[in-house]
Amino acid sequence: AQSVTQLDSQVPVFEEAPVELRCNYSSSVSVYLFWYVQYPNQGLQLLLKYLSGSTLVKGINGFEAEFNKSQTSFHLRKPSVHISDTAEYFCAVSEPLSFQGAQKLVFGQGTRLTINP
Amino acid sequence: DAGVTQSPTHLIKTRGQQVTLRCSPKSGHDTVSWYQQALGQGPQFIFQYYEEEERQRGNFPDRFSGHQFPNYSSELNVNALLLGDSALYLCASSLLYRINTGELFFGEGSRLTVL
Repeated sequence: AQSVTQLDSQVPVFEEAPVELRCNYSSSVSVYLFWYVQYPNQGLQLLLKYLSGSTLVKGINGFEAEFNKSQTSFHLRKPSVHISDTAEYFCAVSEPLSFQGAQKLVFGQGTRLTINP
Repeated sequence: DAGVTQSPTHLIKTRGQQVTLRCSPKSGHDTVSWYQQALGQGPQFIFQYYEEEERQRGNFPDRFSGHQFPNYSSELNVNALLLGDSALYLCASSLLYRINTGELFFGEGSRLTVL
């Protein structure tokens, strides 16, 4: 079974400071990895994803993440945050399917990112 | 282009009652998945529908059931409500051939409170 651990439930940072949100996963097979963002009173939006290839993945809004297979991690980073980045961030994992069929995402518990002016 | 729409946005029920939540997928999408997000937790997969059939199910009891209609819209039904069913219920849609790449589009959810 797959599982995802987000190591920080809350991360407060000052505006224009860098940030890293940590994510570790557990799986007995190769996985796809995702970061989703949830703004207040909204649904989840895909930030970025790792399927294969380059381990450094760039997403929307200036975010990037690095897949580290040996450490089973997929940490999310942004070099300079803005007030508008205040949101809940979720790391998720799925198992690649050998066929185009039903697939489920397993989510971590989320990290609340708060940007202070 | 309308995204994923869910109704109702909020509702309050009492223990033992039944509830039906509705979801209209993004235009052109054929697959609908349902997730439960308890307060302070990440979303948990309930089940997924394609071609009006349940394709995969998460670890949820039979009190949770669903349906997909020919127009791809979907319903989530929960019977014999428990206090622990209080949560935000998220609907996500996709094209089946894209779902393996995590390209899910989520609605804003239906917040269910069970008293």
